[in-house]
Amino acid sequence: DADVTQTPRNRITKTGKRIMLECSQTKGHDRMYWYRQDPGLGLQLIYYSFDVKDINKGEISDGYSVSRQAQAKFSLSLESAIPNQTALYFCATSDRDSTSTDTQYFGPGTRLTVL
Amino acid sequence: GQNIDQPTEMTATEGAIVQINCTYQTSGFNGLFWYQQHAGEAPTFLSYNVLDGLEEKGRFSSFLSRSKGYSYLLLKELQMKDSASYLCAVRNTGGFKTIFGAGTRLFVKA
Repeated sequence: DADVTQTPRNRITKTGKRIMLECSQTKGHDRMYWYRQDPGLGLQLIYYSFDVKDINKGEISDGYSVSRQAQAKFSLSLESAIPNQTALYFCATSDRDSTSTDTQYFGPGTRLTVL
Repeated sequence: GQNIDQPTEMTATEGAIVQINCTYQTSGFNGLFWYQQHAGEAPTFLSYNVLDGLEEKGRFSSFLSRSKGYSYLLLKELQMKDSASYLCAVRNTGGFKTIFGAGTRLFVKA
């Protein structure tokens, strides 16, 4: 089984709809992240969470919100989707242990299209 | 501010060696990563450098010079399956966030 899973894998929706993307991990990591990836722009950080009670905005948080329901679950919501939120979304986790390199492990991605 | 620069695309021949460069500017450096990403798939970890010098791992090596804000990823004995994007990422000390470059698309031709 995959260590980091994302649902759904693909989603097509309409402008103005509310969308939730879910991420689950079995790696036991404290840190979780949401990124979006657009062609030519690399990975942009939307939100990150270093533990269940810690939520932080990333570079491009406007139009998005998150919920850390448990150590293993981190959800991303688009309250009112717009076409320029069409992108590939990745969830990632990393280890908080001070001896680790904080390497990030990515889920398979969710391809979101907003019409 | 923080900035990461790497070439957009490179082409190399199967069996050859290719070097992908990355330059960065950051307010507080705490490690540099290289990730591989095949089209439509998740990035996967390749290497990590925090001290100056060369780290070798099989066909892949990564070099870091902190004073120059420079790293490279060296791929030897190229295979067709090495065709992918290679992402340079820098971890900073403030907030321990990792910033990703836009990636270098490598095309390996026969």
